[in-house]
Amino acid sequence: ETGVTQSPTHLIKTRGQQVTLRCSSQSGHNTVSWYQQALGQGPQFIFQYYREEENGRGNFPPRFSGLQFPNYSSELNVNALELDDSALYLCASSLETSGRDTQYFGPGTRLTVL
Amino acid sequence: AQTVTQSQPEMSVQEAETVTLSCTYDTSESNYYLFWYKQPPSRQMILVIRQEAYKQQNATENRFSVNFQKAAKSFSLKISDSQLGDTAMYFCAFIDNNNDMRFGAGTRLTVKP
Repeated sequence: ETGVTQSPTHLIKTRGQQVTLRCSSQSGHNTVSWYQQALGQGPQFIFQYYREEENGRGNFPPRFSGLQFPNYSSELNVNALELDDSALYLCASSLETSGRDTQYFGPGTRLTVL
Repeated sequence: AQTVTQSQPEMSVQEAETVTLSCTYDTSESNYYLFWYKQPPSRQMILVIRQEAYKQQNATENRFSVNFQKAAKSFSLKISDSQLGDTAMYFCAFIDNNNDMRFGAGTRLTVKP
């Protein structure tokens, strides 16, 4: 069974640029959730994708957008990067969208915005 | 809005001893799920234990157990026979049917030899 993977591991961008982060879900999982974890804080929910449709969104501006593909892998896109976007971005996959299904996390992508 | 509070930013314990990490949450929902996740330094989040709110029995996973007090909205994690590999950030998390998992700020646990 393949776990959740994310790419790239680290990324450095400058203010105003755009970035795309990628996530491959665990085998058999059709739901992917994205989180932003600022240094020294707990993760904050960005949004969730279920069967290629957005299925819930946290308190993040529209410049945070996403996609889910037919193989259930997912992308997180951030436009017009700001310094405060520097964080660890985590994706998590689950078997279904219900809260009872445990979310399994990837290793994260550390984004630094200069 | 649902919130999760971890009041202990840092804790330490001697190897082989027992430690309890605290977590409280706030919700108006009756059906929800609670989790403890472990995040070792520079490594990914790992599920430690989960609890369904409708189950009265406290969850147990080997050396890890919870004390779930639904009326008090409290969900503490007890680690028995602490090991050096237990050193990590521990996050308490809550999710209901809105798919918006809420995390606490975390407790940094250090196990000392």
